[in-house]
Amino acid sequence: GAVVSQHPSWVICKSGTSVKIECRSLDFQATTMFWYRQFPKQSLMLMATSNEGSKATYEQGVEKDKFLINHASLTLSTLTVTSAHPEDSSFYICSARPSGQGGTYGYTFGSGTRLTVV
Amino acid sequence: TQLLEQSPQFLSIQEGENLTVYCNSSSVFSSLQWYRQEPGEGPVLLVTVVTGGEVKKLKRLTFQFGDARKDSSLHITAAQPGDTGLYLCAGARGFGNEKLTFGTGTRLTIIP
Repeated sequence: GAVVSQHPSWVICKSGTSVKIECRSLDFQATTMFWYRQFPKQSLMLMATSNEGSKATYEQGVEKDKFLINHASLTLSTLTVTSAHPEDSSFYICSARPSGQGGTYGYTFGSGTRLTVV
Repeated sequence: TQLLEQSPQFLSIQEGENLTVYCNSSSVFSSLQWYRQEPGEGPVLLVTVVTGGEVKKLKRLTFQFGDARKDSSLHITAAQPGDTGLYLCAGARGFGNEKLTFGTGTRLTIIP
């Protein structure tokens, strides 16, 4: 089955620094990947759609200069939280589906990254 | 704005009981997916329903997509402690690499 690997699983960083989170599709190619944010005891909120070889599409209210997304290959998308602040602390999750696989298939999610900004 | 409302938000029942979780929207979706999420993990797909009125069964779990494709339900028979988790419905419009709209979530606890 499709496997999505997310790294790191957790990270603690100082306020003002930047953090990069990787999302890899291990056994399939994905032209599109999605990045979500989840606050404690809440559902997933879509942040942006990552498109291989082109600019990401950000949801309303998400600062594209703060959350930099790069999708340089068909198996890797990265999310960089720039100049992190405590309010950026959250659980970040990516998802993907094999390119060409239709809408009757669900998405595979990474195991998430717990970011804590101190 | 959450377009998919789930109810109940929280549910705690005894092992062996039955339960139903609802996912409602005023919008039409091309497909609807159900996921279960454990603490500290990403959601795991349980099922995808596509056709209005469709019913799918996964062991003790029964999923139904409303005739108008605006709502869905998840019924669990004889709940077990292993069913504990956060259940999320998610709707999609279109059949390409469309983004998902997630429901508000139902946190289920099965008491042994």
